[in-house]
Amino acid sequence: DQQVKQNSPSLSVQEGRISILNCDYTNSMFDYFLWYKKYPAEGPTFLISISSIKDKNEDGRFTVFLNKSAKHLSLHIVPSQPGDSAVYFCAARGGSNFGNEKLTFGTGTRLTIIP
Amino acid sequence: GAGVSQTPSNKVTEKGKYVELRCDPISGHTALYWYRQSLGQGPEFLIYFQGTGAADDSGLPNDRFFAVRPEGSVSTLKIQRTERGDSAVYLCASSSQQGAEAFFGQGTRLTVV
Repeated sequence: DQQVKQNSPSLSVQEGRISILNCDYTNSMFDYFLWYKKYPAEGPTFLISISSIKDKNEDGRFTVFLNKSAKHLSLHIVPSQPGDSAVYFCAARGGSNFGNEKLTFGTGTRLTIIP
Repeated sequence: GAGVSQTPSNKVTEKGKYVELRCDPISGHTALYWYRQSLGQGPEFLIYFQGTGAADDSGLPNDRFFAVRPEGSVSTLKIQRTERGDSAVYLCASSSQQGAEAFFGQGTRLTVV
């Protein structure tokens, strides 16, 4: 049962344009959402996060939007740069009574920025 | 180094053997996590330590998998009687406190042949 879904395995965007990566979740107990970026042969790197009590968080070129009613979040990157080419993972924290620290990850979206 | 360090970076082992994977978290980080990432998938939670104790081990797939963190710093993930399906990248992460963002190591690629 995939509780966090990234339905687009890949995305190509022209340099300078906006990249929009989407993520859907099913567990309403998730209380915090994160985006990680991963280059080959490296571990995931934290990018940006948002609490479930907010609907937007912005950090430089990166903005995350959360729509709780739709159980949907998105990451916007603008303007896109060649160095943004990587696999992006959406992750959600909480979601169980066991303890709320574990992260549940989506399957990732490979973003390619075309120069 | 300042980041999370995992050793070895690659491990090839024969089916049925025992393996240990090591994680050195960022100094002072009390929380430590193990995840496993199979090809084409996102990282999958295995176990979470707060200090020396396993606060959540609900992700360990079966009793062949065990992890320790005896002094609240370095952690070792132990896999007994390895199977080909255990082949994956094993990721370790640490964070400074509950609720803080986790920093990942580069992972150990385990291949069971």
